[in-house]
Amino acid sequence: DIQMTQSPSSLSASVGDRVTITCRASQSINSYLNWYQQKPGEAPKLLIYVASSLQSGVPSRFSGSGSGTDFTLTISSLQPEDFATYYCQQSYTTPRTFGQGTKVEIK
Amino acid sequence: EVQLVQSGAEVKKPGESLRISCKGSGYSFTTYWINWLRQMPGKGLEWMGRIDPSDSFTNYSPSFQGHVTMSPDKSISTVYLQWSSLKASDTAIYYCARRFCSGGTCYFDYWGQGTLVTVSS
Repeated sequence: DIQMTQSPSSLSASVGDRVTITCRASQSINSYLNWYQQKPGEAPKLLIYVASSLQSGVPSRFSGSGSGTDFTLTISSLQPEDFATYYCQQSYTTPRTFGQGTKVEIK
Repeated sequence: EVQLVQSGAEVKKPGESLRISCKGSGYSFTTYWINWLRQMPGKGLEWMGRIDPSDSFTNYSPSFQGHVTMSPDKSISTVYLQWSSLKASDTAIYYCARRFCSGGTCYFDYWGQGTLVTVSS
């Protein structure tokens, strides 16, 4: 199985901050990397697919980059509704695997 | 509007059987594979497997192979996840998610609201 490792596991940030979350795959996955946001009590929501493509309806403050084994999710200016847990997921091969999640909390 | 609506919360005893459901609407149900994912209490997301509703072809994660069964009922645009003998460790929220593929890549674009399964004696 491909292991996905996110860092940090959690972070505290203020509204307006620039936030970066990283995701590393245990082997190259080309650009087959997706990002999801999950708020407490809700289902995950797709933010970014194929590493850098913004899902329809997702605010442009979210962006993704990377290829191969190293990827980043950036929130350019954190908003109150962005406090949530973020997961990366590889779609290169089965079984599909996720990172352990990064919880973004209010400072 | 695309929707995946899952069945309600369940409380079961160890050893009991269970079937939960995921009903799709607002799109051609047999065109897209449905995936099942598990989220144990306070934990992250785990991919269990997927099913093609058009022909019932399934692909299970080795971690779940033999412990769960996925099946479709095309006539009512519904897929099922079932257990024949539950364990306490099956306590979790289970999500169904539609797989969308484009340009050689796939992702989960629509999700059900989740079904909480609690297994306790």
